[in-house]
Amino acid sequence: DAKTTQPPSMDCAEGRAANLPCNHSTISGNEYVYWYRQIHSQGPQYIIHGLKNNETNEMASLIITEDRKSSTLILPHATLRDTAVYYCIARGLRDYQLIWGAGTKLIIKP
Amino acid sequence: DAGVTQSPTHLIKTRGQQVTLRCSPKSGHDTVSWYQQALGQGPQFIFQYYEEEERQRGNFPDRFSGHQFPNYSSELNVNALLLGDSALYLCASSVTSQFFYGYTFGSGTRLTVV
Repeated sequence: DAKTTQPPSMDCAEGRAANLPCNHSTISGNEYVYWYRQIHSQGPQYIIHGLKNNETNEMASLIITEDRKSSTLILPHATLRDTAVYYCIARGLRDYQLIWGAGTKLIIKP
Repeated sequence: DAGVTQSPTHLIKTRGQQVTLRCSPKSGHDTVSWYQQALGQGPQFIFQYYEEEERQRGNFPDRFSGHQFPNYSSELNVNALLLGDSALYLCASSVTSQFFYGYTFGSGTRLTVV
């Protein structure tokens, strides 16, 4: 079973920040939080990952709570091309597989 | 920079037949993983290959088998196809090293079993 839970769907207005929550209350100390997204009919695309510090790259920011039980992916200025299913995954360094939940379907509206 | 290449993109097979799907990893990657994604669900791990050996396997029957070649490319074989094998099959490549930089996925092969 997936170690994370996410809302099934969210809407966001174009140009606004999209904040996608993820609950991972049973995450262990050596497990990283990874975010991927999947645009319709394409393979998943890596977005960002982190352990306990907040992370930022050219695509997004990842905010992890101090107790590491939840995190938020932030797309700072959402565009229509950000419409996709977003997956939050917990993975240990020695895990070879990714265990995926159902993800959050993010719809960006004009 | 070529990413992960999968072939064919679409395939229709009849129940009971066998199918082979192919994957060329991203340049510089040495590890290949295969995932099955049913409609509306997240991907499910089938297995991972490294150094031409199956390193880990998910909860899939022996009808699913694979191979990795010396050039790191990989094949996924499925025997005795069932209707329930209809899915998007994704190949993901990565580098096995001290640090994990994430997987690069191909666009997948859409398999339809009729």
